[in-house]
Amino acid sequence: GAGVSQSPSNKVTEKGKDVELRCDPISGHTALYWYRQSLGQGLEFLIYFQGNSAPDKSGLPSDRFSAERTGGSVSTLTIQRTQQEDSAVYLCASSLATGTAYGYTFGSGTRLTVV
Amino acid sequence: KNEVEQSPQNLTAQEGEFITINCSYSVGISALHWLQQHPGGGIVSLFMLSSGKKKHGRLIATINIQEKHSSLHITASHPRDSAVYICAALLPGGGADGLTFGKGTHLIIQP
Repeated sequence: GAGVSQSPSNKVTEKGKDVELRCDPISGHTALYWYRQSLGQGLEFLIYFQGNSAPDKSGLPSDRFSAERTGGSVSTLTIQRTQQEDSAVYLCASSLATGTAYGYTFGSGTRLTVV
Repeated sequence: KNEVEQSPQNLTAQEGEFITINCSYSVGISALHWLQQHPGGGIVSLFMLSSGKKKHGRLIATINIQEKHSSLHITASHPRDSAVYICAALLPGGGADGLTFGKGTHLIIQP
């Protein structure tokens, strides 16, 4: 596609439910990133995929969070047993390569509300 | 580790005013992004620049690599420009620490 697509754009879920957030990066972009913006906070790194390498999960806040990237393309961020503190905007970005003189292309974000 | 500071944190102005939002960072970077976040949370990428100046409509972004500073300007501001503006500094090498975000500037343009 022409840009990075995230879905859904908004998600309201009940505490304790699992949610899946999807990111469809630009075709050919090998690097994919997930970030999170909690209320009143700046955007924070969650996880990074680069090609076929093992993902860098150092930013994931708990073991309830996981992410996959299938076929080097679409990525899914899964939050199990959601808690109210998981309410945030989740932002995906992709890049042609790491070490990016190419810059990043950002999705529009998914606003997750846990009630 | 790169530190990214934005100023001001909050800005309220009258329609038509010229707006300047500043972003400074602590280490050498390869590029800098400016993002716009609307009240619903949706994010739009405005600019990516590594030198000089870029212009799109009423928006102008400048960067001074030597001074480690970038500015976003809005000319003839309008209430629809009300949003949070976020700068993000990109380190060479990318990776987990490759992009550091400022905390954002909350802009309100009053009619």
